Amino acid sequence: DAMVIQNPRYQVTQFGKPVTLSCSQTLNHNVMYWYQQKSSQAPKLLFHYYDKDFNNEADTPDNFQSRRPNTSFCFLDIRSPGLGDAAMYLCATRELSGSKNIQYFGAGTRLSVL
Amino acid sequence: QQQVKQSPQSLIVQKGGISIINCAYENTAFDYFPWYQQFPGKGPALLIAIRPDVSEKKEGRFTISFNKSAKQFSLHIMDSQPGDSATYFCAASIDSGTYKYIFGTGTRLKVLA
Repeated sequence: DAMVIQNPRYQVTQFGKPVTLSCSQTLNHNVMYWYQQKSSQAPKLLFHYYDKDFNNEADTPDNFQSRRPNTSFCFLDIRSPGLGDAAMYLCATRELSGSKNIQYFGAGTRLSVL
Repeated sequence: QQQVKQSPQSLIVQKGGISIINCAYENTAFDYFPWYQQFPGKGPALLIAIRPDVSEKKEGRFTISFNKSAKQFSLHIMDSQPGDSATYFCAASIDSGTYKYIFGTGTRLKVLA
């Protein structure tokens, strides 16, 4: 059973039209990450939540926002998508306690911008 | 300093052969090195990981070799099978604080039947 679930799997939006991607988890992990992965490139961390604390990467554009209303859910909002924002968006979780530094990934949402 | 360089970009191996993927890093503060396997349409999944206090870790057909002085680590897949065909990502992390991963650019492996 999927433990990190991303919806939708495929999203098409228009240039400049706001879009929201969602991620839910059944692992009850405290930490959640959002990555952007472009074709043939490494996943790039956008931001992460350490419980309720939001941590933005220095080079994440202001166009990208995130919300985490509770432990299970996390949302990625792209306020005005540009053509360059077309990518796979990956959500991941990690258990806060213990020595395990394992990130569990969802299957991703592939975003197309027309 | 935060980069992890991965090679080759793509790899074709015959069934039963050995697949070798290499990664190099600069930041000596990294102390956790996982490898992730990603099948088409799926998210990356942890395959095997190593910490720098050991030079090798083996799990089944998968082995990580780690060279701390050279700041390099590699994944060896023994007896490669068509089911191993996937994209492999190495990563490096500092095992404290935010535990952020720095990923390599990935290697697309194809194992021919």
